[in-house]
Amino acid sequence: NAGVTQTPKFQVLKTGQSMTLQCAQDMNHNSMYWYRQDPGMGLRLIYYSASEGTTDKGEVPNGYNVSRLNKREFSLRLESAAPSQTSVYFCASSEAAGVTYEQYFGPGTRLTVT
Amino acid sequence: AQSVAQPEDQVNVAEGNPLTVKCTYSVSGNPYLFWYVQYPNRGLQFLLKYITGDNLVKGSYGFEAEFNKSQTSFHLKKPSALVSDSALYFCAVSGRSGGSYIPTFGRGTSLIVHP
Repeated sequence: NAGVTQTPKFQVLKTGQSMTLQCAQDMNHNSMYWYRQDPGMGLRLIYYSASEGTTDKGEVPNGYNVSRLNKREFSLRLESAAPSQTSVYFCASSEAAGVTYEQYFGPGTRLTVT
Repeated sequence: AQSVAQPEDQVNVAEGNPLTVKCTYSVSGNPYLFWYVQYPNRGLQFLLKYITGDNLVKGSYGFEAEFNKSQTSFHLKKPSALVSDSALYFCAVSGRSGGSYIPTFGRGTSLIVHP
């Protein structure tokens, strides 16, 4: 099993450009998440999908959109990138939506917006 | 609202010595607690969790954590540190009553194990 995979690994954008970060998991998990990690800030939740067909906002959703394409795939789109979106983005999945389930993380995408 | 505090940005320990990485939490109702480790340029990896039962939880790579309800703490421990344990460690909490099932993460503690 590959676990959680993310593409691309690195990306540089100019302000105003758009891009989509891709995430896929092969563990048959129901729930998927997008986080951003900034120095000294820990992990902050952007959006999540408790199950196929549902998406919800997290702590920092402004400037982002998501699509739960199917059970395996959950993409994150930046419509008009801003320097404040420079960060490392992690996708994660869990077996189900519930307090007892641990999350499994992808390797991350390092995004720089100039 | 639920929250996690990791009071130390960095912990330094000599190889072979015991290590402790501290975590305190705040949540309504029963807490569900997790520890994750992040190696450089990698995603987070699950280490262990406390759901219910024994206050001492054993996890991967020889790590364990002690749940203390009265002190609202969930400190990560290892009896003998290895250089390869050097990494960033995150504590997380979620709660069923009044909280979100989505875990809230602490800001992370950098563990440095010196040879």
